[in-house]
Amino acid sequence: GDSVTQMEGPVTLSEEAFLTINCTYTATGYPSLFWYVQYPGEGLQLLLKATKADDKGSNKGFEATYRKETTSFHLEKGSVQVSDSAVYFCALSEEGAQKLVFGQGTRLTINP
Amino acid sequence: DAGITQSPRHKVTETGTPVTLRCHQTENHRYMYWYRQDPGHGLRLIHYSYGVKDTDKGEVSDGYSVSRSKTEDFLLTLESATSSQTSVYFCAISEWGMGNTIYFGEGSWLTVV
Repeated sequence: GDSVTQMEGPVTLSEEAFLTINCTYTATGYPSLFWYVQYPGEGLQLLLKATKADDKGSNKGFEATYRKETTSFHLEKGSVQVSDSAVYFCALSEEGAQKLVFGQGTRLTINP
Repeated sequence: DAGITQSPRHKVTETGTPVTLRCHQTENHRYMYWYRQDPGHGLRLIHYSYGVKDTDKGEVSDGYSVSRSKTEDFLLTLESATSSQTSVYFCAISEWGMGNTIYFGEGSWLTVV
């Protein structure tokens, strides 16, 4: 079945560092890919998404490119801030399917 | 913010008692979902609904039932709560199904003692 694998956390960085959170997926068809972010005590918010190969999703300085050849959707940000501290989830949904499959989440902490 | 309200937000209950969590939306979205969030597992789908009285199971549906008698309300019931059902439960809504943006509620923290 479909699955999503994220790099294990927690990840701790200093402010203004470069961020990469790896995400790879297994799917039978052509899924849409998502990154969600969860701030402490809150629900999940959509951060960005890509619906086909080579698409780049971007939002709030974060980017991720849908790489079909490597089945990856890595999240990147050039200069992180303390306010980026949160848990990040990679997810996919198969075309025409009714369920969103999540990775296990990566906790990110940014120190000033 | 999407108009999703979950209740109760926090609950402690005893093993063997029934528990119902409510999700209410003001967006008139067709699809509604219940997920549970546990450390190391991310979010896992319990049940979802694609219309009034139309529901289907997710990957972790055992021990849970749902009902949707109105577009705006989706209820999750634990018939006889167990300690393994201690978790954070999230309701979510979507208009066109999982290929499009899904919006989450703020979560319900359930502890079964």
